[in-house]
Amino acid sequence: QVQLQESGPGLVKPSQSLALTCTVSGGSITSGDFYWSWVRQPPGKGLEWLGYISYIGTTHYNPSLKSRITISIDTSKNQFSLKLNSVTAADTAVYYCARETVTIYFDHWGQGALVTVSS
Amino acid sequence: SYELTQPPSVSVSPGQTARITCSGDALPKKFAYWYQQKSGRAPVLVIFEDNKRPSGIPERFSGSSSGTMATLSISAAQVDDEADYYCFSTDGRGDLRVFGRGTKLTVL
Repeated sequence: QVQLQESGPGLVKPSQSLALTCTVSGGSITSGDFYWSWVRQPPGKGLEWLGYISYIGTTHYNPSLKSRITISIDTSKNQFSLKLNSVTAADTAVYYCARETVTIYFDHWGQGALVTVSS
Repeated sequence: SYELTQPPSVSVSPGQTARITCSGDALPKKFAYWYQQKSGRAPVLVIFEDNKRPSGIPERFSGSSSGTMATLSISAAQVDDEADYYCFSTDGRGDLRVFGRGTKLTVL
């Protein structure tokens, strides 16, 4: 059974960069049938798709974040990562990593990692 | 940008059918997906490709789509079905993935 687990700092200062890693277990991240995605949810609010990466490094981002976001992949570690630059309090959220199928739905999710942007 | 519009809340009595709608301009040509999210938990897919149910999801959950509106129906709603439900789809080009703002289902 595939499992995903987010890790990274829970507190980031404004204007700095947020960095999270998702470790995939129970399956290979190099499977060509999936995209590896990030979704976030501000406290008390709805879900927002951030972007995805394929195992060969093809990326696609939400245009609302395109200038600040980078998603990368490390196939040797079965991990993919999120970096969000120039964060503000509006970036405070639970960040989920998820596996997206070729039919464009998320079939496995991490448990979520709360990242708070505050000085 | 592209938006999917859902009602903020729906309330039904136990045993009734709950219907949650999702409207979007691209829905006539793009599939709708539905996620259930209980408090403090990651979302769970309950319907994919408009009307297909993943294994393990009760038959009480069904989906339909007509024109610019997709609908999630939960028959014989139970208190355990109380959750936030999000529709999900893509824009007309298939580039942008979008969640609706979510609908809080209350069963009481």
